[in-house]
Amino acid sequence: AQSVTQPDIHITVSEGASLELRCNYSYGATPYLFWYVQSPGQGLQLLLKYFSGDTLVQGIKGFEAEFKRSQSSFNLRKPSVHWSDAAEYFCAVGARKGGSEKLVFGKGTKLTVNP
Amino acid sequence: DTGVSQDPRHKITKRGQNVTFRCDPISEHNRLYWYRQTLGQGPEFLTYFQNEAQLEKSRLLSDRFSAERPKGSFSTLEIQRTEQGDSAMYLCASSLDTSVYGYTFGSGTRLTVV
Repeated sequence: AQSVTQPDIHITVSEGASLELRCNYSYGATPYLFWYVQSPGQGLQLLLKYFSGDTLVQGIKGFEAEFKRSQSSFNLRKPSVHWSDAAEYFCAVGARKGGSEKLVFGKGTKLTVNP
Repeated sequence: DTGVSQDPRHKITKRGQNVTFRCDPISEHNRLYWYRQTLGQGPEFLTYFQNEAQLEKSRLLSDRFSAERPKGSFSTLEIQRTEQGDSAMYLCASSLDTSVYGYTFGSGTRLTVV
C-alpha cells in the first residue's frame, strides 16, 4: 500500500523568497505523484502531477516539482513566493494501472507568507 | 465544464440525526470519489465509483455510511445516526482517468455534529 510523508507541518517564508516543500512517498513501484493546494474552507486544486518521463515537472502558478526515485521524493519548489501562495499544500501518491484507484494524501504543509 | 458541485456547503446537525450530501461531478467524468478531511489532516479515502458501480470502500466507511451513484451521474453520501466524530469536511472528486489527470475536487461539505 502506498503512503506519503510531508515532514514539515508549517513553513513560513518571506514574500519573494524561494520555497521548497518536502514530500516522501512509499510505494512498491513507480507511482503517480501529485501536488494539490487548498485555501481555507475550500476544496483542493491540482498544481502539478508526475506520470512518467521528464522527472522535473512544471505546474500552474509558477510551481515545479522534481521526482527523485533514489530518494523516494517529490519536492515542490517555487523560486519566488507571492503572498497569494499562502495556503495548505498536499502531496499525494497513486498506484499504477491495475492497482487501487484511490490517491493517498500526506498530512499537508501549511505555508505562511510574511510581507 | 462547470466543475464538481457539492451541496450543501455547510451542515449542522444534532447527534443521532441522519444527513445526506450530494455531489455532481464533471459531466464526462466516469470516476467519482468521496474523501473525508478532518482538521490538520490530509483527505482520507472513503469510497470510489466507476460509473454506477461502487468498486472500492475504505474501512473508514462504517455501516452508518452509505454512498450511491444511480445512473452513473450524481452521487449521494448518507450518514445515519451521526456522531460527533463524524464532524469533518466531506470532499467529492471526479476524474476521467486518475492516473493521467488526477482528480478535480469540489469545494466540500462541512459537517458539524453538535
